[in-house]
Amino acid sequence: AQSVTQPDIHITVSEGASLELRCNYSYGATPYLFWYVQSPGQGLQLLLKYFSGDTLVQGIKGFEAEFKRSQSSFNLRKPSVHWSDAAEYFCAVGARDDKIIFGKGTRLHILP
Amino acid sequence: GAGVSQTPSNKVTEKGKYVELRCDPISGHTALYWYRQSLGQGPEFLIYFQGTGAADDSGLPNDRFFAVRPEGSVSTLKIQRTERGDSAVYLCASSLTSGRGNEQFFGPGTRLTVL
Repeated sequence: AQSVTQPDIHITVSEGASLELRCNYSYGATPYLFWYVQSPGQGLQLLLKYFSGDTLVQGIKGFEAEFKRSQSSFNLRKPSVHWSDAAEYFCAVGARDDKIIFGKGTRLHILP
Repeated sequence: GAGVSQTPSNKVTEKGKYVELRCDPISGHTALYWYRQSLGQGPEFLIYFQGTGAADDSGLPNDRFFAVRPEGSVSTLKIQRTERGDSAVYLCASSLTSGRGNEQFFGPGTRLTVL
């Protein structure tokens, strides 16, 4: 069965520090992988996506993610976080039948 | 250009009542998706339309839930005999066409509270 696991419910980092949010997926074929961000009162916004090719994917707002097939992982990274990055982050896999299957999310808190 | 819009932004209703939630997709997008996001969870797929027809409704939890898209643009999610467990944020998304590679653009959601 297709699934996405985000092991960290909450993450707290200091402003200016680096960030890594973990994501593991289960999918029988080549996965289409996404990271979305959801700020309070806002819709889900796509940060980046991986379909094929280069396993290091660059996204908006300075985020990047690395696809590691051997580890079934697609971790999100940012070298230096800003207070405006505080939000909920969702990793997701695109299923063959067009659904997107989301993880439960990681809420990011930023310390000043 | 305009993004996906959803109305109302908030809906409070009483147990047993009927509600309708509306989604206006991005103009020209043929695929439209409904998801439900419960507190502390990620969005869960409900149904998607390609054009006017429901291509996959396997995520609808039971027959109290129904969705239509009569003209291939605006969609309405209808919930009959609402229950407290239906309380959630209902998200709508649209994409240019269906298919795994097409980005889905999400609306801000409708927060439904069933008292």
